Amino acid sequence: ILNVEQSPQSLHVQEGDSTNFTCSFPSSNFYALHWYRWETAKSPEALFVMTLNGDEKKKGRISATLNTKEGYSYLYIKGSQPEDSATYLCAFISPDTGRRALTFGSGTRLQVQP
Amino acid sequence: EAGVTQFPSHSVIEKGQTVTLRCDPISGHDNLYWYRRVMGKEIKFLLHFVKESKQDESGMPNNRFLAERTGGTYSTLKVQPAELEDSGVYFCASSRNIRSYEQYFGPGTRLTVT
Repeated sequence: ILNVEQSPQSLHVQEGDSTNFTCSFPSSNFYALHWYRWETAKSPEALFVMTLNGDEKKKGRISATLNTKEGYSYLYIKGSQPEDSATYLCAFISPDTGRRALTFGSGTRLQVQP
Repeated sequence: EAGVTQFPSHSVIEKGQTVTLRCDPISGHDNLYWYRRVMGKEIKFLLHFVKESKQDESGMPNNRFLAERTGGTYSTLKVQPAELEDSGVYFCASSRNIRSYEQYFGPGTRLTVT
């Protein structure tokens, strides 16, 4: 059984604050890690797909790092804006042959106050 | 390029009734996935089609759920008979081929069983 843990569960910040969340996954059996941004009633939006230990990816004010040896990834948001309010999901893929099922964490719900 | 679409966006049915959800993947995407999120928990994998074949159906909860993808284009997920615990959001995702890391999600169908 694969467990993907995300913390914190929820976060309230003020506009302009920088913030970060954590995703923990099994380090012994790694293929790829996804980060998604999800607003209720909309499609989860792919932010990053990370595959290599030490990967760092950036999209605008959002960036992510990956440590496959210790089994964690961090998502950073610099200068949070109200439009960043959403649930941020990480999802893990194990290298089982032929399986591409994503195993999701429960998400971090971010609320940015103007 | 049109994204993944799902129909209906919301369905309310009574316990014991039948509901059929539809997913149209991105054109040209061979891989189609069904996931669901129940009771505010994490999104969980249901099954994976490669074209019209079921590649992995390890996440299907029981035989009340039937998924089809005739012709390898759109897919349907039928729940018959629906139970209260089936309430949740059913997501569909697609990817171009088995080597693709990215999975593109639809907006989901919110199913409420009363």
